Amino acid sequence: GNSVTQMEGPVTLSEEAFLTINCTYTATGYPSLFWYVQYPGEGLQLLLKATKADDKGSNKGFEATYRKETTSFHLEKGSVQVSDSAVYFCALKRGAQGGSEKLVFGKGTKLTVNP
Amino acid sequence: DAGVTQSPTHLIKTRGQQVTLRCSPKSGHDTVSWYQQALGQGPQFIFQYYEEEERQRGNFPDRFSGHQFPNYSSELNVNALLLGDSALYLCASSFTGRDTEAFFGQGTRLTVV
Repeated sequence: GNSVTQMEGPVTLSEEAFLTINCTYTATGYPSLFWYVQYPGEGLQLLLKATKADDKGSNKGFEATYRKETTSFHLEKGSVQVSDSAVYFCALKRGAQGGSEKLVFGKGTKLTVNP
Repeated sequence: DAGVTQSPTHLIKTRGQQVTLRCSPKSGHDTVSWYQQALGQGPQFIFQYYEEEERQRGNFPDRFSGHQFPNYSSELNVNALLLGDSALYLCASSFTGRDTEAFFGQGTRLTVV
């Protein structure tokens, strides 16, 4: 079945450090890939997405590239801020369109950024 | 636009009781999905409702049931609560006809004692 594996956390960085959170997936066909962020006490917010191989999703300085050959979708940011402290979830969805497909999530990676 | 709203925000129930959680989707969305997020874990898909019917279901027992109303709002019911049902329950809404992202509510924190 479809699954997502994320690097174990927690991750603690100093402000302005470089961030990488690894994500690999197992899926049949050509899934869409997502990164969601969950701030304390809140629901999930979509951070970025990519729907086909070699697509790069980007938002708020975060980037991730859909790598089909390595089945990966690693999240990166060049310079993190204290406000980036949150839990980050990698997820996939079968197919490239339609709001009817369920999301399959990784376990999440907690990021803490210290000033 | 109020986005996805869930109620209540927190709930404490006793083992064996029944609980109902509610979700109002984002305006214009017709599909509601429910997820269970245990502490320190990623959300797990419970089921999805579209046109007032359950369209997909995850690996959850029949104690978990739901409903969707004509206005697209939805309820999640859990019977015979177990301690292991303690979790954050997230509702997500989307529009089936297009490739739209799923919008999540803030969740209902259920504690079973």
